[in-house]
Amino acid sequence: QITLKESGPTLVKPTQTLTLTCTFSGFSLSTSGVGVGWIRQPPGKALEWLALIYWDDDKRYSPSLKSRLTITKDTSKNQVVLTMTNMDPVDTATYYCAHRGDVVVTAIPYFDYWGQGTLVTVSS
Amino acid sequence: SYELTQPPSVSVSPGQTARITCSGDALPKQYAYWYQQKPGQAPVLVIYKDSERPSGIPERFSGSSSGTTVTLTISGVQAEDEADYYCQSADSSGTSVVFGGGTKLTVL
Repeated sequence: QITLKESGPTLVKPTQTLTLTCTFSGFSLSTSGVGVGWIRQPPGKALEWLALIYWDDDKRYSPSLKSRLTITKDTSKNQVVLTMTNMDPVDTATYYCAHRGDVVVTAIPYFDYWGQGTLVTVSS
Repeated sequence: SYELTQPPSVSVSPGQTARITCSGDALPKQYAYWYQQKPGQAPVLVIYKDSERPSGIPERFSGSSSGTTVTLTISGVQAEDEADYYCQSADSSGTSVVFGGGTKLTVL
């Protein structure tokens, strides 16, 4: 079955760079159509999509955060890494990684399997 | 930037029908998806491609689309359906994922 798990620091200081790793099983990021995305949720607030990487290394970013985000994959390790620069207290949130729910290349992304999430607090 | 608009809250009594709407200019062109999120848990996909139900999701969950509005309907609401519900779609180009602001469903 498909599982995903996020890992990374629970506390970062303002201006630092956050690096999160998503380790998954049950699928391969080398299979056509497969993708993994990152979504975050500040405490008590709505979900916000951040980034998505496809099997062919195509990458998509939230327009509002594009300048601060980088998403990469390591197919051999079944991992996807998200980095976010210049962290601010408003970036405090639970960060989720999720499996793209469609392998049709032209279909819009959605997410059918999610990790449990990891809470990242930004504070000095 | 593209936005999806949901009502902040919906309340229904057990056994009644709950309808949660989501509005967006690109919805006539793009599919919508619905997620259920209970406190402290990750979101769960309950509807995909406007009206399809993933395996394991109860039949009381259904989705529909009309113009710029999509609707999640929960028939015969149960106490366990109390949760936050989020719609999701994409901009007109299909490249940027967007979530709605979420709707808190309260079962009275």
